Amino acid sequence: AQSVAQPEDQVNVAEGNPLTVKCTYSVSGNPYLFWYVQYPNRGLQFLLKYITGDNLVKGSYGFEAEFNKSQTSFHLKKPSALVSDSALYFCAVRDGSGTYKYIFGTGTRLKVLA
Amino acid sequence: EAQVTQNPRYLITVTGKKLTVTCSQNMNHEYMSWYRQDPGLGLRQIYYSMNVEVTDKGDVPEGYKVSRKEKRNFPLILESPSPNQTSLYFCASSLEGAPGQETQYFGPGTRLLVL
Repeated sequence: AQSVAQPEDQVNVAEGNPLTVKCTYSVSGNPYLFWYVQYPNRGLQFLLKYITGDNLVKGSYGFEAEFNKSQTSFHLKKPSALVSDSALYFCAVRDGSGTYKYIFGTGTRLKVLA
Repeated sequence: EAQVTQNPRYLITVTGKKLTVTCSQNMNHEYMSWYRQDPGLGLRQIYYSMNVEVTDKGDVPEGYKVSRKEKRNFPLILESPSPNQTSLYFCASSLEGAPGQETQYFGPGTRLLVL
């Protein structure tokens, strides 16, 4: 069965510091991995994805994520956080070899402090 | 403008009164999906559809029905709503069958309160 874990409910970081939001996953086949962001009172917006190829994926707004197959992780990173990055971040996985069912994590609230 | 629209945006209803939340996309996407978002539980997929007349259950389908009679529309039906279906609902669509096009586009959400 597929699963996604976001172990931190909230991450606080000072503006200008690097940030990391953690995600680990479990699928039986090839993982299709995604990060989405939700700003207050808005729907979700796509940030980046890993389907195949380079393990380091670059996405919108300066975010990047590294696919680590041995650790089954897909952590979201940004070298220098902005106050405007404060939002709710969701990791999601689909089994690329199987169904078109998606599993999302419980979300991590990122707070960037000025 | 490419978008996913949902109606209504807010709905208060009573237990047992059938309701439908509509979802429409103008991007010619084959894949459409419904999610519910609850505090501490994140997003959970209710149903998804790979194309017209093709639907399948997500993780939490109980108490919900869907239909896909046209490519652009994917309504969510609650035949007998109960208070535990109080939630924030999102519709999403994508070109899921096309490699590299798996990005989902989300609607603005429908906040449902069942009394």
